This record gives sequence, C-alpha cells and structure tokens, in this order.
Amino acid sequence: DQQVKQNSPSLSVQEGRISILNCDYTNSMFDYFLWYKKYPAEGPTFLISISSIKDKNEDGRFTVFLNKSAKHLSLHIVPSQPGDSAVYFCAASGLTGANNLFFGTGTRLTVIP
Amino acid sequence: NAGVTQTPKFRVLKTGQSMTLLCAQDMNHEYMYWYRQDPGMGLRLIHYSVGEGTTAKGEVPDGYNVSRLKKQNFLLGLESAAPSQTSVYFCASSQGWTDTQYFGPGTRLTVL
Repeated sequence: DQQVKQNSPSLSVQEGRISILNCDYTNSMFDYFLWYKKYPAEGPTFLISISSIKDKNEDGRFTVFLNKSAKHLSLHIVPSQPGDSAVYFCAASGLTGANNLFFGTGTRLTVIP
Repeated sequence: NAGVTQTPKFRVLKTGQSMTLLCAQDMNHEYMYWYRQDPGMGLRLIHYSVGEGTTAKGEVPDGYNVSRLKKQNFLLGLESAAPSQTSVYFCASSQGWTDTQYFGPGTRLTVL
C-alpha cells in the first residue's frame, strides 16, 4: 500500500510561472519530508526538506509547505525555469527507527520555454 | 570526489542466474541503502546498512542478499534472478540517521 502518493504523474508550466507539485501521505508517524529531483539516467538528488515542526521551508526558488492536519505537502518553484524539467519525488520518513524513506511515484515536470 | 558510484550500469540476466551489484561511496558515510524503482511506483528500500559489517532488511528484501565488508562498499546480490526483479536499482549513502541520502546513477537490470 502506497504510503506516499503523488497523484499527478505529469505537470507542464510556462517558463517564469509557478510550478506546484503535490504530495499526500497516510502514515501519521511520518515527521520528516523531502523532495528529490531526478534527471533521466541519473540518481535522485536532494532538493529540499521539512520537518513536522515547521509548516514552511524556503530555499531560493523552492518552497515546501506542510499541512499536517491534511497530511499534505507541496513544492512550489518560482519562477520555473527550463532546467527544472525533471521528475520530482516526494519522500517521507519517521525520525525514530531506520532512515527508511518512503517515496511517492513521482511527478514529471516540464517547463516550456 | 565521485560520490556514489554503481557497477554495472546495465545488465541482462536469464531466470535463475545470479549476479552482484556493487555500490561504492567515497564520502566516508556510515549508512548505505539499496532501493529499487519500478514503473508506477516510488523507490522502495530493499536493504540497508548502518555501518561496516551490519545489514538490515528494508521494505522489499525477499530474493536479495547484501554485504558490507568495507565501509565504502555495499553489495547487493541476487542468487536466483526472477523476471519480477527486473527494475532499476539505486544505491544511496548518508552520514547519519537523518542526514540527506546521496544516490548513485542506478543500474538497469532486466531478467528474461
């Protein structure tokens, strides 16, 4: 059973506009959330994270929002650039126990020049 | 500084054959992980290691074995490959329990 879900397999946005990628989770024990970015033929690379004690974390053009009551997080990219075109994976873990990341199925973002 | 490397990049096996995937990291990380990625699914943890000489089962360990004889290397073995093990395999490493995991480029394995 998929504990982390990304319901949109793909997203297209115009360059310069905002990209919003969504992620839902089911396990209330998750307390640490991450976004990874993956280019073809490469491994995922860490993008940004947020712990459950926060509801927002910002790093340059990337902001992650966490809504614990809704078990929902989102990644905002502003402004979107063609180089942002990649597959984005949401992941979650509990800080207790193994560093076992549970990944979503990914959203393919295409930024159109 | 190569980060995390995986060998081989591609492999085709026949059902019942065995093989070993090698993961190496040069960041002196304590933790290492093996994931598999299948179409329509997220990455799933197969096995992990919290230090040299230690291994533990992840979410989908059946059909795989691992060894961590040296801190920098983490080996994933398939003793008798099955078509269900056709997948892309990613290795990762991290310094600590909650630290960022750094991934290798992946190994695409096809079992016929």
